Amino acid sequence: NAGVTQTPKFRILKIGQSMTLQCTQDMNHNYMYWYRQDPGMGLKLIYYSVGAGITDKGEVPNGYNVSRSTTEDFPLRLELAAPSQTSVYFCASSTGEKLFFGSGTQLSVL
Amino acid sequence: DQQVKQNSPSLSVQEGRISILNCDYTNSMFDYFLWYKKYPAEGPTFLISISSIKDKNEDGRFTVFLNKSAKHLSLHIVPSQPGDSAVYFCAASASDNYGQNFVFGPGTRLSVLP
Repeated sequence: NAGVTQTPKFRILKIGQSMTLQCTQDMNHNYMYWYRQDPGMGLKLIYYSVGAGITDKGEVPNGYNVSRSTTEDFPLRLELAAPSQTSVYFCASSTGEKLFFGSGTQLSVL
Repeated sequence: DQQVKQNSPSLSVQEGRISILNCDYTNSMFDYFLWYKKYPAEGPTFLISISSIKDKNEDGRFTVFLNKSAKHLSLHIVPSQPGDSAVYFCAASASDNYGQNFVFGPGTRLSVLP
């Protein structure tokens, strides 16, 4: 069972570069989320989606964009990478009762 | 403004003893609470949950207690095993925003010593 799959696992970006973090789930969940985890901090919600074509901002959306064209996929776009975006990023999906997480993407912006 | 707090960054327990992890919340609208476990280089995995209509939920070695008046919940692990060593996150959500907003605490790193 694949569950929630994130790619890449690791990435180093230079300041100002752009990239897309990929996330796909095979559980047919309507809800999908992007979180970031900074050292010693909890998971902070970046963006979420309640279904294909519907997205909304979470607690820390600045510097990020998302799209949800299908139920399965929820990519996260960083347009102009900044050192403050160095973090571990987790994608998750949900039936509404509990979250299922991917294994994470460790991103460093130098 | 941390809505979900885990005031102990770390906890060490001897194998076979009880581990007690604590979590406090400030938002009285929260009515559903979850615990997640996270190993290094992996995503968090669901452990156990509790609805605000209950004060206790048990699943094998894991029990979660909820004290609504104190806005406090705790996770008990009995007996603790070395494989339980991980970071534990407390999370909360409100049913009026069901499925849209899970708020996480900063986590407690549990070390179970053999």
